[in-house]
Amino acid sequence: AQKVTQAQTEISVVEKEDVTLDCVYETRDTTYYLFWYKQPPSGELVFLIRRNSFDEQNEISGRYSWNFQKSTSSFNFTITASQVVDSAVYFCALSEVREYGNKLVFGAGTILRVKS
Amino acid sequence: EAQVTQNPRYLITVTGKKLTVTCSQNMNHEYMSWYRQDPGLGLRQIYYSMNVEVTDKGDVPEGYKVSRKEKRNFPLILESPSPNQTSLYFCASRQNRGRFGYTFGSGTRLTVV
Repeated sequence: AQKVTQAQTEISVVEKEDVTLDCVYETRDTTYYLFWYKQPPSGELVFLIRRNSFDEQNEISGRYSWNFQKSTSSFNFTITASQVVDSAVYFCALSEVREYGNKLVFGAGTILRVKS
Repeated sequence: EAQVTQNPRYLITVTGKKLTVTCSQNMNHEYMSWYRQDPGLGLRQIYYSMNVEVTDKGDVPEGYKVSRKEKRNFPLILESPSPNQTSLYFCASRQNRGRFGYTFGSGTRLTVV
């Protein structure tokens, strides 16, 4: 069965610090997708990234970067030079690839507080 | 604009009073799903639908019903709400095949007293 673990319940940093959010997943499949979502205080889910299991290249988007390592089943997310607007709950999620019936399995989320 | 629309955004109700949370998407997606979000548990799937008249249970279906009579709509029904169904609910949709991009609604915050 699929499982996503975000061991960090809450992280507090001071603005401009770098912060890494950890995500460890479990799946028996060789083909799957990994996601990160941001949930700001307003409550909606904001899609950040989708990565398929065959693409282990790290990705950078502005201040955001993702480190995917199949060997350790991890998909960690780093925010460089954090800002107050980064304060949110961040979810890592996994989706196996099925012809039908696949679902998105979420981790418990990490609350990030960035203080000015 | 491509979107998933949930209504209402906020709802306070009393135990036992039947309610429906609506979900509609305008992207012609086959797949739709309901999730509930609770602190420390992340989002958990309640029900999903692969297409019209095809629905199936997710991980936490107890106390909920769904229907899929039209492709665009996927309402969540609570026949007899209880306080343990107080939660933040999300509807999501995507195509069955192709890129696995999920589109989420804005959420419905339900309080059952």
